[in-house]
Amino acid sequence: AQKITQTQPGMFVQEKEAVTLDCTYDTSDQSYGLFWYKQPSSGEMIFLIYQGSYDEQNATEGRYSLNFQKARKSANLVISASQLGDSAMYFCAMFHFGNEKLTFGTGTRLTIIP
Amino acid sequence: EAQVTQNPRYLITVTGKKLTVTCSQNMNHEYMSWYRQDPGLGLRQIYYSMNVEVTDKGDVPEGYKVSRKEKRNFPLILESPSPNQTSLYFCASSLAGGTNYGYTFGSGTRLTVV
Repeated sequence: AQKITQTQPGMFVQEKEAVTLDCTYDTSDQSYGLFWYKQPSSGEMIFLIYQGSYDEQNATEGRYSLNFQKARKSANLVISASQLGDSAMYFCAMFHFGNEKLTFGTGTRLTIIP
Repeated sequence: EAQVTQNPRYLITVTGKKLTVTCSQNMNHEYMSWYRQDPGLGLRQIYYSMNVEVTDKGDVPEGYKVSRKEKRNFPLILESPSPNQTSLYFCASSLAGGTNYGYTFGSGTRLTVV
């Protein structure tokens, strides 16, 4: 069975510091995709970054980067120079090409402190 | 504007009264899915559809129905809602699942069943 684990229910980080949100996954598939989404207090889901299982380089999108360690089955999100607007819930998710399912973790609530 | 439109945003209903939550996308996406979000559980997939007339169960399909008669629409039907279906519901669509296009989510429907 596919599973995503986010072990940090909540984190507090000082503004301008970098932050790493942990995500580990479990799958026996060779082909899959990993996503990170941001959910601010308004509730919408915002796509941040994607990493394919065959991508050799870590994905980056502006201040977001995905630290992909395939052998360890981890896909941590790194936010550089955090801002107050980064305060939100963050979800890691895994996509399986075989059954087209997107499986989410339980999320990490990030709070940026001024 | 490219978007996924869900209606209604908020709904309070009584046990057993049939309801439909509509979902429409204007991006010509093949893939569409429904998720429910509950505290501490993340988002769980209810149903998904790979194309018109092609639907399949996700992780928590009991008590729900869907249809995909047109590419743009993917309504979620609760034939006899119960209080345990009180949740935040999201519709999502994707051009090609599991790629860096990501899923586009609707704004969510907060359903309360009393």
